Amino acid sequence: KAGVTQTPRYLIKTRGQQVTLSCSPISGHRSVSWYQQTPGQGLQFLFEYFSETQRNKGNFPGRFSGRQFSNSRSEMNVSTLELGDSALYLCASSPATGKDGYTFGSGTRLTVV
Amino acid sequence: AQKVTQAQTEISVVEKEDVTLDCVYETRDTTYYLFWYKQPPSGELVFLIRRNSFDEQNEISGRYSWNFQKSTSSFNFTITASQVVDSAVYFCALSRPNQGGKLIFGQGTELSVKP
Repeated sequence: KAGVTQTPRYLIKTRGQQVTLSCSPISGHRSVSWYQQTPGQGLQFLFEYFSETQRNKGNFPGRFSGRQFSNSRSEMNVSTLELGDSALYLCASSPATGKDGYTFGSGTRLTVV
Repeated sequence: AQKVTQAQTEISVVEKEDVTLDCVYETRDTTYYLFWYKQPPSGELVFLIRRNSFDEQNEISGRYSWNFQKSTSSFNFTITASQVVDSAVYFCALSRPNQGGKLIFGQGTELSVKP
């Protein structure tokens, strides 16, 4: 059974650009969550999508957005990149709710220069 | 507000020693879920255990064991006879049933097991 797949694995962008990260959940999983991990702030929840609808949202500016497609694959977009957006972005999938547990991907390491 | 505290930032032990990673949480909910994840250098978070708030039974899985105590809001993780492969960052996390995929993580404890 394939795990959670995140692409690309590494990314370098320039300040002011925008970036799109992709996450393919485990087959049959309908919930996809995104997290940002930085040395200073740790792991912070960005948002969660379930059946193509945003179900929960963390405390991030509007530059961070996401969407989920009918096949449950999800993308997150960051516009007008700032140096502080450099982080490991992790995606997690779950069958439906929190009690089912979450499986994480290997992440996309974004560096903004 | 919900919060997870892992007071130990770094722990260093010698192989075969037992080690306990502490986790203290805060929540006003009566129903919640607690998790432990392991993050090796590769970056992927590896699921170790999930506990719901109504199940205070301790759990043992091989060299791993977990002690959940609601009275002290703690969910501690013990590795018995540690091995070098246990070296990683360990995260404790909390979630609410009505907030789906939103996990609230502690700051993590970096465990270094030396041969």
